[in-house]
Amino acid sequence: DADVTQTPRNRITKTGKRIMLECSQTKGHDRMYWYRQDPGLGLRLIYYSFDVKDINKGEISDGYSVSRQAQAKFSLSLESAIPNQTALYFCATRTSGDNNEQFFGPGTRLTVL
Amino acid sequence: AQSVTQLGSHVSVSEGALVLLRCNYSSSVPPYLFWYVQYPNQGLQLLLKYTTGATLVKGINGFEAEFKKSETSFHLTKPSAHMSDAAEYFCVVGGGYQKVTFGTGTKLQVIP
Repeated sequence: DADVTQTPRNRITKTGKRIMLECSQTKGHDRMYWYRQDPGLGLRLIYYSFDVKDINKGEISDGYSVSRQAQAKFSLSLESAIPNQTALYFCATRTSGDNNEQFFGPGTRLTVL
Repeated sequence: AQSVTQLGSHVSVSEGALVLLRCNYSSSVPPYLFWYVQYPNQGLQLLLKYTTGATLVKGINGFEAEFKKSETSFHLTKPSAHMSDAAEYFCVVGGGYQKVTFGTGTKLQVIP
């Protein structure tokens, strides 16, 4: 079984709809991240969490919110989706320690019409 | 502040040829550096990471990267490209409580 899972894997929605993307991990890592990937822009950080009570905005948090329901679960919400939020979204986890790598989920492809 | 620049959004090489993907970084503190690979329709996976004190870092699938502090570079190389190396490669700087910054990625095409 995958260590980092994301649901749904694909989603098509309409402008103005509320959308939730979910991420679960079995790695036991404290730190979890949400990124979006756009062609030619690499990955940009939306939100990150160092533990259940520590949630921080990333570089592009406007229009998004998150919830860390448990150590293993980190959800990303689009309160009112707009077309320029069409992107590939990745969840990632890592353990504490300065030089430790991130482990990525398979991604959620979101299309906002 | 930190940043990372990947030169060349697309690189094409012939099968069996040298692969060189360029990455330059800037960081106000000693950097943590990583290369990740993304195969089509998949998430990212770690290729290799820089360990303090090392100059040449070996990764998976025959890739390696050379850390040059004087040039603030961390270029990725592979002596002989294979068709299965076709993917997008990301250079990343940061980690720990530092902000993690991804490069914009380089898509590698391997020509038979």
